[in-house]
Amino acid sequence: GAGVSQTPSNKVTEKGKYVELRCDPISGHTALYWYRQSLGQGPEFLIYFQGTGAADDSGLPNDRFFAVRPEGSVSTLKIQRTERGDSAVYLCASSLSGGEGNTQYFGPGTRLTVL
Amino acid sequence: RKEVEQDPGPFNVPEGATVAFNCTYSNSASQSFFWYRQDCRKEPKLLMSVYSSGNEDGRFTAQLNRASQYISLLIRDSKLSDSATYLCVVNRDSNYQLIWGAGTKLIIKP
Repeated sequence: GAGVSQTPSNKVTEKGKYVELRCDPISGHTALYWYRQSLGQGPEFLIYFQGTGAADDSGLPNDRFFAVRPEGSVSTLKIQRTERGDSAVYLCASSLSGGEGNTQYFGPGTRLTVL
Repeated sequence: RKEVEQDPGPFNVPEGATVAFNCTYSNSASQSFFWYRQDCRKEPKLLMSVYSSGNEDGRFTAQLNRASQYISLLIRDSKLSDSATYLCVVNRDSNYQLIWGAGTKLIIKP
């Protein structure tokens, strides 16, 4: 079946602009995760959704970052007033449930470049 | 100190050789352990989970040492296609939140 999809694959924006990154999880997966990966680093946890609600947003770096999942499927990560330091690959993953040991399947990521 | 630490490499290994990576983690409450593989400019993909008793999947063997808080990955008869970055992943405090090492880069040479 279809895996996790993310759009756009690449996004170039200017400092101070607003961006939205979209994630479409595997059908039937209730848990959805956003990560950020900088060059030469492993992914860094941002936020976890169980259904429509954000069960844990402790990884969001500041209040410029916000994410929603209004119908419990597609999620959008929103970044306001982008800064050059926000440049990274934003990865989305989904799992069948949020329980321990549930395998997380990753999308191809959105490469965000803030000029 | 990082929660999950790996030797960044690169490990340059001739085709057919055996190579091993270690990874250490700091949170003794962690319960789930994984090795992911990531190709250049691609997303991470699960290679294997790591079980307390150790587990093997073809040419790949994973071991967990809870007392010393490290995980290992052994690759036998390495192939050119094994060239990638291998990420050690540990869950935090027995929950869903995954903590990732920075990865070990492996280059298999013909």
